[in-house]
Amino acid sequence: DAGVTQSPTHLIKTRGQHVTLRCSPISGHKSVSWYQQVLGQGPQFIFQYYEKEERGRGNFPDRFSARQFPNYSSELNVNALLLGDSALYLCASSERPEGTNEKLFFGSGTQLSVL
Amino acid sequence: SQQGEEDPQALSIQEGENATMNCSYKTSINNLQWYRQNSGRGLVHLILIRSNEREKHSGRLRVTLDTSKKSSSLLITASRAADTASYFCAPPNQAGTALIFGKGTTLSVSS
Repeated sequence: DAGVTQSPTHLIKTRGQHVTLRCSPISGHKSVSWYQQVLGQGPQFIFQYYEKEERGRGNFPDRFSARQFPNYSSELNVNALLLGDSALYLCASSERPEGTNEKLFFGSGTQLSVL
Repeated sequence: SQQGEEDPQALSIQEGENATMNCSYKTSINNLQWYRQNSGRGLVHLILIRSNEREKHSGRLRVTLDTSKKSSSLLITASRAADTASYFCAPPNQAGTALIFGKGTTLSVSS
């Protein structure tokens, strides 16, 4: 079975632009979480979705939004990009809604560079 | 905040030696996880230890949890060059919707 897949792997944008990152969870997994990892730091929680419902949101501005589709894939959207949005964006999936009571399966991430 | 804080931030050892990383957290938890990350890419789950467990093993890995001290440790025995990576402990947030990562411990194992 395929693991968590993310696309694209690398992306270069300029300030003020908009970006959409995509994630396909492991087959059978209904929970998807998004994390941002700035260089030298640990991943920071952005969103968790389960069965298309947002179940958790981290401390990120409204420029960040996400959604989950009926096939459980997910998109992360970031508007009005800032230089500080440059980071590795990680998607993780799990079977159950309680994303913290079982292990998370992470994708390889999307490296976003904002110039 | 709840985030796990790893110590030391960096650790350099020779192949065959043991590596110990420590983690502290702030609030009550029902479990704690450890993850590994190679070269800034995706994280790989290592171990989940529940609050009613004091120790758990997986291959060359041994994790301990002391809920009274709000601390955990990860021991890698007989380290290999392939163990070179960043290691993160991840307690859950209060709502149980997210894992809270610290800056991690960067382990370098030289041959």
